Amino acid sequence: QLELQESGPGLVKPSETLSLTCTVSGGSVRTTSYYWGWIRQPPGKGLEWIGNIYYTGGTYYNPSLESRVTISVDTSKNQFSLKLTSLTASDTAVYYCARLVSTVTSFDYWGQGALVTVAS
Amino acid sequence: EIVLAQSPATLSVSPGGRATLSCRVSQSISISYNLAWYQQKPGQAPRLLIYGASTRASGIPARFSGSGSGREFTLTISSLQSEDFAVYYCQQYNNWPLTFGGGTKVEI
Repeated sequence: QLELQESGPGLVKPSETLSLTCTVSGGSVRTTSYYWGWIRQPPGKGLEWIGNIYYTGGTYYNPSLESRVTISVDTSKNQFSLKLTSLTASDTAVYYCARLVSTVTSFDYWGQGALVTVAS
Repeated sequence: EIVLAQSPATLSVSPGGRATLSCRVSQSISISYNLAWYQQKPGQAPRLLIYGASTRASGIPARFSGSGSGREFTLTISSLQSEDFAVYYCQQYNNWPLTFGGGTKVEI
């Protein structure tokens, strides 16, 4: 059974950089059928797609965040990562990693989510 | 970007009843059948229910059904069970960026 697990700091200061890693178990990130993505959800609000990466390193980013986002993949560790720079309080959210089915571009496996609070 | 409008924001249904949720593309753009539905319970990650507007994901009960194409889509839950009370989101994948609707809360 595929499992995804987010890890990283739960509290980050304004203007600093958020760094999260998603570890994939029960399957490989090195697959032609899937992308690997990040989605976030501010407390009490809806879902926002951040971006995706393919195992070869190709990326798609949400234009609203593109200037601040980097997603990378490490196939040797079966992980992919998110960096979001220049944080403000509005970046406070639960950050989910998920598997994106390439043929239907929907998220079929999700991590449990990691709450990241931006505060001084 | 494509904006998805979900209605109603909150839907009150009795156990055993039927729920009909709507997802509409706000602009004059067709997204064909490129729509998915998710269920999210408090404190949990979303779960994929439907993709391709009407195809149930693996393990999803038959009481969940999706329909529609173009700009208007519907998720129907027949005979609501206690575990179905949750927030439901639609997501389009016809155009980048991927976008989600604002959600419909199904409550007792």
